[in-house]
Amino acid sequence: EDQVTQSPEALRLQEGESSSLNCSYTVSGLRGLFWYRQDPGKGPEFLFTLYSAGEEKEKERLKATLTKKESFLHITAPKPEDSATYLCAVQAWNSGGSNYKLTFGKGTLLTVNP
Amino acid sequence: NAGVTQTPKFQVLKTGQSMTLQCAQDMNHNSMYWYRQDPGMGLRLIYYSASEGTTDKGEVPNGYNVSRLNKREFSLRLESAAPSQTSVYFCASTPGQRNSPLHFGNGTRLTVT
Repeated sequence: EDQVTQSPEALRLQEGESSSLNCSYTVSGLRGLFWYRQDPGKGPEFLFTLYSAGEEKEKERLKATLTKKESFLHITAPKPEDSATYLCAVQAWNSGGSNYKLTFGKGTLLTVNP
Repeated sequence: NAGVTQTPKFQVLKTGQSMTLQCAQDMNHNSMYWYRQDPGMGLRLIYYSASEGTTDKGEVPNGYNVSRLNKREFSLRLESAAPSQTSVYFCASTPGQRNSPLHFGNGTRLTVT
């Protein structure tokens, strides 16, 4: 069974204080690892897809990295508007053709104080 | 540029009542999904539709039915609501190609008393 564990559950940072969120996964053949951002009362918003160990993706103050067992979401010099819940999800090769199923972690609630 | 639209945004039901959650996407996506999100549980897949005319069970299908009405619309029905179905329900869609990301609606918050 595919599993995704995110840590910490909650993280409070001061504006400008860089940190990382962790996503550990167990999957029978990783097809893709996804990062989403979710604001209160909203649906998840897609950030990144990572496919293989060693891959990195960047968007503004966010950088996602991937190893064979985990992914990190690095947040550099965060601002209050980066406050949100960050979700990690994995897709396995056995999830079937073009119709795929994601296994989601429970998320990390990030709060950035001004 | 609406994306994925869900109605209603909020709903309160009594145990045993039925209702249908509506979802429509305007991105010409092939695949559509229904998830529920509960505190401490993460997002869990209820049902999905790989393409118009097909539906399949996800991780937690019991107590739900779905209809892929056409390419744009995918509805979720609760025939006899139970308190355990109190949750936030999200509809999502994707083109269906490999690794294409899910696009989510903003959810329906359902309370069953």
